Amino acid sequence: EVQLVESGGGLVQSGGSLRLSCAASGFTFSRYWMSWVRQAPGKGLEWVACIKQDGSEKFYVDSVKGRFTISRDDAKNSVYLQMNSLRAEDTAVYYCARRRSSWYDVFDIWGQGTMVTVSS
Amino acid sequence: QSVLTQPPSVSGAPGQRVTISCTGDSSSIGTGYDVHWYQQFPGTAPKLLIYGNTNRPSGVPDRFSGSKSGTSASLAITGLQAEDEADYYCQSFDSSLSGHVVFGGGTKLTVL
Repeated sequence: EVQLVESGGGLVQSGGSLRLSCAASGFTFSRYWMSWVRQAPGKGLEWVACIKQDGSEKFYVDSVKGRFTISRDDAKNSVYLQMNSLRAEDTAVYYCARRRSSWYDVFDIWGQGTMVTVSS
Repeated sequence: QSVLTQPPSVSGAPGQRVTISCTGDSSSIGTGYDVHWYQQFPGTAPKLLIYGNTNRPSGVPDRFSGSKSGTSASLAITGLQAEDEADYYCQSFDSSLSGHVVFGGGTKLTVL
């Protein structure tokens, strides 16, 4: 079964750090771009970051540039999101998603999400 | 404010047809980028509903259809059912934004 499982969310104070993990299974992880998408409570979806298959290209939404870092470990079939200098506005459910860049460039598989709460 | 504009809510009675619009501009949908649609139930992850403007993944009922024209796209749901009540998001790309990925603000569908 193709699956993504996020972990690492929790409650953190403003200015603090958190590292999210996403474990993939059921597909050849190294062949895909991977992404993080977040959803603030009661709000819509917001793309956060993407990383290319070999890690050579990374992209971020402007609001997290310089604070968040996406990385991957193909040996562990995992993608990570290191979040530093967290702000209240980063409070959201963070979803890991597989991006099929060579097939309509679509997010076709999503994890169940992990909640990040930043207290001010 | 999202680059892609969707109505906050739509509603319809069982059996009716509803449409959800997704309006972009010349740097997003109007550039020729594909539009995708996702369905999300409360407390769950989004699920791919329509890809490449008009295509349905395996398992998605043919009551759901997508279209695109110019700088806009639409999701149509015919034969509305109670279980269709959910949030719907369009997604495309915008060449003026970092990373290019954009989502619409989402539309809450209520089945009356």
